[in-house]
Amino acid sequence: ETGVTQTPRHLVMGMTNKKSLKCEQHLGHNAMYWYKQSAKKPLELMFVYNFKEQTENNSVPSRFSPECPNSSHLFLHLHTLQPEDSALYLCASSQTLTQPDTQYFGPGTRLTVL
Amino acid sequence: GENVEQHPSTLSVQEGDSAVIKCTYSDSASNYFPWYKQELGKRPQLIIDIRSNVGEKKDQRIAVTLNKTAKHFSLHITETQPEDSAVYFCAASILSDMRFGAGTRLTVKP
Repeated sequence: ETGVTQTPRHLVMGMTNKKSLKCEQHLGHNAMYWYKQSAKKPLELMFVYNFKEQTENNSVPSRFSPECPNSSHLFLHLHTLQPEDSALYLCASSQTLTQPDTQYFGPGTRLTVL
Repeated sequence: GENVEQHPSTLSVQEGDSAVIKCTYSDSASNYFPWYKQELGKRPQLIIDIRSNVGEKKDQRIAVTLNKTAKHFSLHITETQPEDSAVYFCAASILSDMRFGAGTRLTVKP
């Protein structure tokens, strides 16, 4: 349960606030991901990082800004969000991107935008 | 891009019965198919996975089958127990691009 950690676990913010979500993985993996999980919708892949380099951005609005300073840490910077951005934000990691690989999820950050 | 459909959205079974969840995918290049279980308030956790060079895989009460020609795969849980109650997600992926189904809420009644 401690392989992938996320902080904070819960966050309430106004539309004009700036906040950051943090993810850390202790599995020695090289790839990290951000997902958005909304009620009654499939998990949506937002960003993919491999060896600190962003390899995928699935048409995510610019009010979400990822940062990956090293292979163990991943941030999601939030600014001027909308109420429809309220969701559970999940971080995941996997060993590699070069072959299909299991992704391990963190516990998520429950975000509420007022 | 890949599109994954999952059915049913809710499933209720009696303890001891079997449960089957089905998924279809659209991109024939997908080659990795994991299944995740997410209990209320918890993270998704991998319960079983299958790769495209295998047709069936079993782990105790859980089995997954893959039909590449028809582009569908299924999760089978036998002898269900109340602790199997959760939301189950299928996924199909090509390398890092993993697309998930919308989930099936399984309820096992004691």
